[in-house]
Amino acid sequence: DAGVIQSPRHEVTEMGQEVTLRCKPISGHDYLFWYRQTMMRGLELLIYFNNNVPIDDSGMPEDRFSAKMPNASFSNLKIQPSEPRDSAVYFCASSKSTGLAFSDEQFFGPGTRLTVL
Amino acid sequence: AQSVTQPDIHITVSEGASLELRCNYSYGATPYLFWYVQSPGQGLQLLLKYFSGDTLVQGIKGFEAEFKRSQSSFNLRKPSVHWSDAAEYFCAVGEISGTYKYIFGTGTRLKVLA
Repeated sequence: DAGVIQSPRHEVTEMGQEVTLRCKPISGHDYLFWYRQTMMRGLELLIYFNNNVPIDDSGMPEDRFSAKMPNASFSNLKIQPSEPRDSAVYFCASSKSTGLAFSDEQFFGPGTRLTVL
Repeated sequence: AQSVTQPDIHITVSEGASLELRCNYSYGATPYLFWYVQSPGQGLQLLLKYFSGDTLVQGIKGFEAEFKRSQSSFNLRKPSVHWSDAAEYFCAVGEISGTYKYIFGTGTRLKVLA
């Protein structure tokens, strides 16, 4: 299995531009998570999906952030408009539920390093 | 709300020396606890997890961790560190409050001296 795939690996954009980050979870996994990692705040959960449905988006910082999962093999995270404080590494992770909370391991992608100038 | 504290931001050890990374959590019930490792430029990988039972859990790459309820700790240990262990280590607690999610600590960056 190729693991969780994220694209692009690096993104540099200017303030005010729209940014789209993409994630392909591991086939057969029914949970998908988006995290943001910064030096100041560490690793934060932004949103997660179960069977393509958003379950908890309480970590999404502002209305400028949105995430969708149109099907089981793809999710995207959009920032519009982007701001310099959005600069961070964004991780996607997926897991396959076993029916027991937290018994399923999250598999992380390599991340997208976003720089907003 | 649940929280995880990793008091050491950076740790440096010599290759072959023992290692202990500290993790303290705040949780009302029996916690679900995890250790993840992040190698440079990579995503996080699960090292080990604790849900219940034996308080000493074994993980991959020769790591182990001990759950101590009285100290609210879940410290990660390795008896002999290898240069390839240089990475960032994250402790996490699983939170169940309507939904389920992970709360990560801020991480400890390990440097290994040859």
